[in-house]
Amino acid sequence: KNEVEQSPQNLTAQEGEFITINCSYSVGISALHWLQQHPGGGIVSLFMLSSGKKKHGRLIATINIQEKHSSLHITASHPRDSAVYICGSSDKLIFGTGTRLQVFP
Amino acid sequence: ETGVTQTPRHLVMGMTNKKSLKCEQHLGHNAMYWYKQSAKKPLELMFVYNFKEQTENNSVPSRFSPECPNSSHLFLHLHTLQPEDSALYLCASSQAAREGGEQFFGPGTRLTVL
Repeated sequence: KNEVEQSPQNLTAQEGEFITINCSYSVGISALHWLQQHPGGGIVSLFMLSSGKKKHGRLIATINIQEKHSSLHITASHPRDSAVYICGSSDKLIFGTGTRLQVFP
Repeated sequence: ETGVTQTPRHLVMGMTNKKSLKCEQHLGHNAMYWYKQSAKKPLELMFVYNFKEQTENNSVPSRFSPECPNSSHLFLHLHTLQPEDSALYLCASSQAAREGGEQFFGPGTRLTVL
């Protein structure tokens, strides 16, 4: 069992839908990283958070340190949001396998 | 150039070849990392360098040999690789290693070993 688990592994949505990706971890961490990886491989850092909630545009990330759980929400999803979303510990440097999101017009 | 760059972007090599991957960061960071990403597997940390010194080797086979001549440059020297080493190799940098700081990733080198 991975120390960082993501669900679902694959997700398809229609444009405009609200999307939630979940991340659970079994190790103690000081901060969690959400990354976005587009086809072709490049990785972009979306959020780093250690408590509460962060928002950037249509993206919202929340974390509950006691429950060792984080969620990434995308509001009003768009085809350009199609990517693999990866969560991981920014201090332990361990990551989940990613959630592949496809948003169709 | 800004951010983290990697060259080459694609590399095909035979098992007897020797090649090197290069990473350069223009962010003034002090820590640099090599990751391996294989299909259906999580990002796997390989090496960590902090202020040019290797601080972590995550049980990586000796056919992978990193080099960090300064805080801005990181190399991964490859020799006698195996087909299972085919993967995307990603370089990243951050302000300091393992302090929970944000990591910035390069575009990766897609390696195919024949």
